[in-house]
Amino acid sequence: AQTVTQSQPEMSVQEAETVTLSCTYDTSESDYYLFWYKQPPSRQMILVIRQEAYKQQNATENRFSVNFQKAAKSFSLKISDSQLGDAAMYFCAYRRNAGGTSYGKLTFGQGTILTVHP
Amino acid sequence: EAQVTQNPRYLITVTGKKLTVTCSQNMNHEYMSWYRQDPGLGLRQIYYSMNVEVTDKGDVPEGYKVSRKEKRNFPLILESPSPNQTSLYFCASSSSSGGAAKNIQYFGAGTRLSVL
Repeated sequence: AQTVTQSQPEMSVQEAETVTLSCTYDTSESDYYLFWYKQPPSRQMILVIRQEAYKQQNATENRFSVNFQKAAKSFSLKISDSQLGDAAMYFCAYRRNAGGTSYGKLTFGQGTILTVHP
Repeated sequence: EAQVTQNPRYLITVTGKKLTVTCSQNMNHEYMSWYRQDPGLGLRQIYYSMNVEVTDKGDVPEGYKVSRKEKRNFPLILESPSPNQTSLYFCASSSSSGGAAKNIQYFGAGTRLSVL
């Protein structure tokens, strides 16, 4: 079974600084997707960024980028120029790309609470 | 507006009193799932559905039931709730088609359930 581990229960960063959230995963599959979701106090789950395993290039979305190390099974999220609105719980998630039922299931990590200090 | 709608947002009940949390999506998605979120455990899948009348267990199905009689609706049923089912619940939907969008799960706003 696939597992996703976020080893940092809490992280903090100063406004305008850069922070990196860690995520590791375990899978025997070669084709899969990885995601970072943000959950602000409103509890809404917001997709931040996604990475396709067969793409070597790291995904970027404005101030958010990932460092995807497939051999090491590592998928970290870097937030540049941190803003107060970035404060939230961040979840790393994995999905197999095997068709059928794999489309409907995400496996999540435990989450990392990010605090942004003004 | 594309959305997944869950109701109610908050629910307090007592042990053993049957309840249903509704979920509806307007994106014609085939796949729908229920997750529960607990501190330190992240989100765990309870049940999922690939399409109408096709459902299967996720990682933590005990004490829950689901049905998928219409493509847009996927209710979660707790026939005899217990305190260990106190949690934050999310419904999500996704599609196996639609280009890049097929890889995204869309989540409802969550239902906070307390079982006393």
